Amino acid sequence: EIVMTQSAATLSVSPGESATLSCRASHSVSSYLAWYQQKPGQAPRLLIYGASTRATGIPARFSGSGSGTEFTLTISSLQSEDFAVYYCHQYNNWPPTFGQGTKVEIK
Amino acid sequence: QVQLVESGGGLVKPGRSLRLSCAVSGLTFSDSYMSWIRQAPGKGLEWISYISPNGDTKYYADSVKGRFTISRDNAKNSLSLQMNSLRAEDTAVYYCAKDEQWLVYWGQGTLVTVSS
Repeated sequence: EIVMTQSAATLSVSPGESATLSCRASHSVSSYLAWYQQKPGQAPRLLIYGASTRATGIPARFSGSGSGTEFTLTISSLQSEDFAVYYCHQYNNWPPTFGQGTKVEIK
Repeated sequence: QVQLVESGGGLVKPGRSLRLSCAVSGLTFSDSYMSWIRQAPGKGLEWISYISPNGDTKYYADSVKGRFTISRDNAKNSLSLQMNSLRAEDTAVYYCAKDEQWLVYWGQGTLVTVSS
């Protein structure tokens, strides 16, 4: 099983600033990597798939990069609605696995 | 618009069974791969099961293999998860999702609590 590690459990960011979230895979997952946003009491929402492709309706301030074992989600100019938990997800190998999540909180 | 609505959760004693359902609308269900994912209280996400559009291919996480069974009824646009021999560690919110390898659409989840 591929282990996904999100290096920061919590990231404190001021509104208007940028946030960079990291995700590392224990083995290469090529570009088969997605990112989700989850707010309290809600289901996760797909942000990025294929490591860098924004899902339908996702604002351009969300961008993904990386391949192999190292991935990054960047949120530029954080808005109030962006404070949430973010999960990475590899779907290159069975079973699909998720990182433990990074909470982006208001500084 | 696309809607996935889970139901069937509740409080159940260890060792008992529960059946979850997911009603899907707004997409071509019969062409859709579907998955169940769960989230224990305050924890992260765990993929637990997957089914192909015609139901011929099914996969399970090791944590539920042999106890849970995924199924679908394409005529009713419905996905199910039969959960047997439930354990305390199965306590979680259970989500159904449309699976395109990445999980495109999610339901709102249904809470399953396993406790005596």
